[in-house]
Amino acid sequence: DTEVTQTPKHLVMGMTNKKSLKCEQHMGHRAMYWYKQKAKKPPELMFVYSYEKLSINESVPSRFSPECPNSSLLNLHLHALQPEDSALYLCASSQVGNPGYTFGSGTRLTVV
Amino acid sequence: QQPVQSPQAVILREGEDAVINCSSSKALYSVHWYRQKHGEAPVFLMILLKGGEQKGHDKISASFNEKKQQSSLYLTASQLSYSGTYFCGTVKTDSWGKLQFGAGTQVVVTP
Repeated sequence: DTEVTQTPKHLVMGMTNKKSLKCEQHMGHRAMYWYKQKAKKPPELMFVYSYEKLSINESVPSRFSPECPNSSLLNLHLHALQPEDSALYLCASSQVGNPGYTFGSGTRLTVV
Repeated sequence: QQPVQSPQAVILREGEDAVINCSSSKALYSVHWYRQKHGEAPVFLMILLKGGEQKGHDKISASFNEKKQQSSLYLTASQLSYSGTYFCGTVKTDSWGKLQFGAGTQVVVTP
């Protein structure tokens, strides 16, 4: 299995809702990442998990809450989002030590 | 600090060559190259770890000049399938795990 699977593919949520994005990989990668990508822009790093521990938080607002319950799963919990948070959210994984990242197909989030 | 990528866009006819450049003001541990097609996730092309290293992926190759902290991606004899946005990503020597992307180069290959 050489894929990173993200669910759901599309999500529309209101500003008072609570939702979660899910990411799963079975490649034995011990580093997992969340990126946010706005239209016509590069992906921006949000969080890095290494060996299931949060190692980097790029000053992301607390309305985004990551969780890594085990070495295969990565979640992003969303609460009280703003319309400007609408974007493509990408999950990626890699071996620790910076080989190439494998990206999931992303969740396209719309906040209304 | 994100790497600087150039050009912003390039239009090619099938069979033509192009070069995309990526540079950083900081010491780099690695340079990654990705291609993203519209509506899809970025796809890993290659990673360069050592100064002067060159790699290839079909007719796409890249080099990394460690002294200049610059990398170049070479699209040779371009094919229609090469169309997309190419991103370089860099990891600085003091920032493991922080893969930061350049602004991207939009490549359009026409018949």
